[in-house]
Amino acid sequence: AQSVTQLGSHVSVSEGALVLLRCNYSSSVPPYLFWYVQYPNQGLQLLLKYTSAATLVKGINGFEAEFKKSETSFHLTKPSAHMSDAAEYFCAVSDRIKAAGNKLTFGGGTRVLVKP
Amino acid sequence: KAGVTQTPRYLIKTRGQQVTLSCSPISGHRSVSWYQQTPGQGLQFLFEYFSETQRNKGNFPGRFSGRQFSNSRSEMNVSTLELGDSALYLCASSLGGDRIETQYFGPGTRLLVL
Repeated sequence: AQSVTQLGSHVSVSEGALVLLRCNYSSSVPPYLFWYVQYPNQGLQLLLKYTSAATLVKGINGFEAEFKKSETSFHLTKPSAHMSDAAEYFCAVSDRIKAAGNKLTFGGGTRVLVKP
Repeated sequence: KAGVTQTPRYLIKTRGQQVTLSCSPISGHRSVSWYQQTPGQGLQFLFEYFSETQRNKGNFPGRFSGRQFSNSRSEMNVSTLELGDSALYLCASSLGGDRIETQYFGPGTRLLVL
């Protein structure tokens, strides 16, 4: 079964500093990969997704992620944190080889705190 | 275009009761998926419906069920509620349910079981 690991359940960054959130997947066939953000009392919003085109994926709000097959990773970065980036971030995978249908497997999430 | 809507937003039930949650997808979307979010287990997939048929199912007991109507609206039902069913239930919709499609999430229904 697919699994996703996010290293660090909490990350604290200073405003203007680099944001780096780690995500590793376990699958012999690279899945489709997604990063979602969840603000308090809201649903999830897609930041970006990897579907086997470019390995460096740019998303909304200045976020980007790089797919590295050799490391089975899909880490999320943002060069300069803003106070509005404080939220919980989820990495998710969708199995590429199984039958049609939508089923996301999520990592445990990383809560980002931005210090002024 | 209106987003995914879920009703009710908050719900309090007691053990043993049953509950029905509703989800209206984005207009034109035919796939609806349900997820359970808890502090302990995180986000877990419940099931997905496409064209009124359940296409995928997660590892939840039979007390959790769902359905989809011809207008793509979906409901999920939990019977014989347990304390552990307290969670945020999220609904997501996508156009055709292809695995690479973006799923758009609603704000969720927060269920508290006492």
